[in-house]
This record gives sequence, C-alpha cells and structure tokens, in this order.
Amino acid sequence: AQSVAQPEDQVNVAEGNPLTVKCTYSVSGNPYLFWYVQYPNRGLQFLLKYITGDNLVKGSYGFEAEFNKSQTSFHLKKPSALVSDSALYFCAVRDDSNYQLIWGAGTKLIIKP
Amino acid sequence: GAGVSQSPRYKVAKRGQDVALRCDPISGHVSLFWYQQALGQGPEFLTYFQNEAQLDKSGLPSDRFFAERPEGSVSTLKIQRTQQEDSAVYLCASSWKQGPSYEQYFGPGTRLTVT
Repeated sequence: AQSVAQPEDQVNVAEGNPLTVKCTYSVSGNPYLFWYVQYPNRGLQFLLKYITGDNLVKGSYGFEAEFNKSQTSFHLKKPSALVSDSALYFCAVRDDSNYQLIWGAGTKLIIKP
Repeated sequence: GAGVSQSPRYKVAKRGQDVALRCDPISGHVSLFWYQQALGQGPEFLTYFQNEAQLDKSGLPSDRFFAERPEGSVSTLKIQRTQQEDSAVYLCASSWKQGPSYEQYFGPGTRLTVT
C-alpha cells in the first residue's frame, strides 16, 4: 500500500537560515512525488515534482527537493528562509498504477524574523 | 489564465439538508478530482473523472455522496441528508492530462459546516 510520512508536525526556522521539511514514502511501483503549499484559507499550490532523472528538483519560490531512492525520501529544502514561507506544506505520492495522490499529514513551517 | 474555481466558498447547512458544491476546472483539463480535507489534515481522495467518465468513486464515504461531470468540464459534488461528520473543506483539482506525472491544480475549496 502507498503511504507518505511527514514526521514533523511543525518546523521552526529563523529567517535567513536554511530550511528542510522531511518526507518519506512507500509505493510499490515507480514513485511520482509532489510538494504543495497551503496558505490560510487558500487552496493548495503546486511547488515541485519528481518524475524521473535528476535527483535534485527545483521548483517555485526558490524551493528545491532531493529525491533519495535508497532512503525513500523526498525532503523539501530552501537555502534561505523568508517569513513569507510560513505556511502548511504537504508531500504527496502516486505510482504508475494509481492516479490517486496519497498525502502526508502536513508540516507547519514557521519562519521567525 | 483562470485557475480552478469553486462555489460557494462557504456553506452552512442544517443537518439533513442537501447541498451541492460546484467546481470549474481549468479550461481543457481532462482530469478532475474531488478531495475532502479535515482541519489540519492532508486531503483525502473522494472521486476522479476523466472527461465525463467517473473512473473511481472509491473514496466517497457513503451513498449520500454523489458527483457528476456531465459535459466533461464543470463538476458538482452533491451531499444528501448532510450529517455533522460531513463538515470539512471540499477541494476540487484538475490536471490537463491523465497520468501519474501530471500535477494537479487546486481550487480554493468549499468549507462546509453542518449544524
């Protein structure tokens, strides 16, 4: 069965510092991995995805994510955090055989000035 | 261009009432998804359409939930005889093609409160 784990309910980072939001997954086939961000009272916004190829994926707003097959992880990163990055971040996965996206529980990112 | 739109944004229903939630996907998008999101949780899949065909409705919680997309564009999620446990945000998403590599674009959601 497919699953996604976001082990941290909340991540606190000082503005200007690098940030990492963790995600691990389990699928039976080839993984397709996604990160979305959700601001209060707004819908989910697509940030980036991994399909195949280069393990380091770059996305919107300066975010990137590193796919690690052996550790089945897809951690979200940003070199220098902004206060405006504070939001709820979701990792999601699907595989070749399933169009359903399976979602993590979300990680609240708080960037302090 | 225009994104996914949903209406109404907020809906308060008395227990037992029927409600209808509308989704306008991005023009030309083939795939359409409905999700239910509880507060502070990730979305839970409800149902999936490819054009007008409902290919998967395995996530619908009960036979009180019904979704349609008759012309392959606008979709409506209907909940009959609403219960308090139906209170949630209902999200609609679309993607321009079928296939696992295509990202989904989400609407702002409809927040349903059943009193």
